[in-house]
Amino acid sequence: GESVGLHLPTLSVQEGDNSIINCAYSNSASDYFIWYKQESGKGPQFIIDIRSNMDKRQGQRVTVLLNKTVKHLSLQIAATQPGDSAVYFCAESGGIYNFNKFYFGSGTKLNVKP
Amino acid sequence: DAGITQSPRHKVTETGTPVTLRCHQTENHRYMYWYRQDPGHGLRLIHYSYGVKDTDKGEVSDGYSVSRSKTEDFLLTLESATSSQTSVYFCAISESSLYRRNSYEQYFGPGTRLTVT
Repeated sequence: GESVGLHLPTLSVQEGDNSIINCAYSNSASDYFIWYKQESGKGPQFIIDIRSNMDKRQGQRVTVLLNKTVKHLSLQIAATQPGDSAVYFCAESGGIYNFNKFYFGSGTKLNVKP
Repeated sequence: DAGITQSPRHKVTETGTPVTLRCHQTENHRYMYWYRQDPGHGLRLIHYSYGVKDTDKGEVSDGYSVSRSKTEDFLLTLESATSSQTSVYFCAISESSLYRRNSYEQYFGPGTRLTVT
């Protein structure tokens, strides 16, 4: 299967600081990526996505950066809040012939300290 | 939250018994998925459906079968449960095709925790 991993399994930040969560992927044919947030006891929730023809996309307090050269994806959360505490997953599509199949990383737990 | 329900939410069963998990949606979305989530592995796709009676395998499909006789229901069956199938199972739905829209947002259900003893 595809290899999608994360550099840091746990990240602790102070409330109000910016958070950066990183993800590496292995399939150079992947053309679509998603970041999900999962709170304890709940299913993953879509945060933001990006296609491979972009290198940056911004949402509300979140920014996703894509570096295709090194196959790296990052999620930046501005002014991190206690409600941002959760596990974050990156996911990549299987490419043009497998776009319905997504491969998830193992997740990074974000702890926001008040 | 998108209209997705999973049943049961928790189940304990014995090795060798058949188990069926149900995913029900009220969104009339075309695509439905079953994932399992285990520590250290994130979410892994088991099977997915792209229409009524149209299904395909994911990366961890061995030991699982699925059926979709109606748009709103997607069933996951473990023919003979094993301890390695102890996991949290998530159903997801999606409306868009990657190449018809700009995004491919999947909505996830609340999950089913299955324990095989």
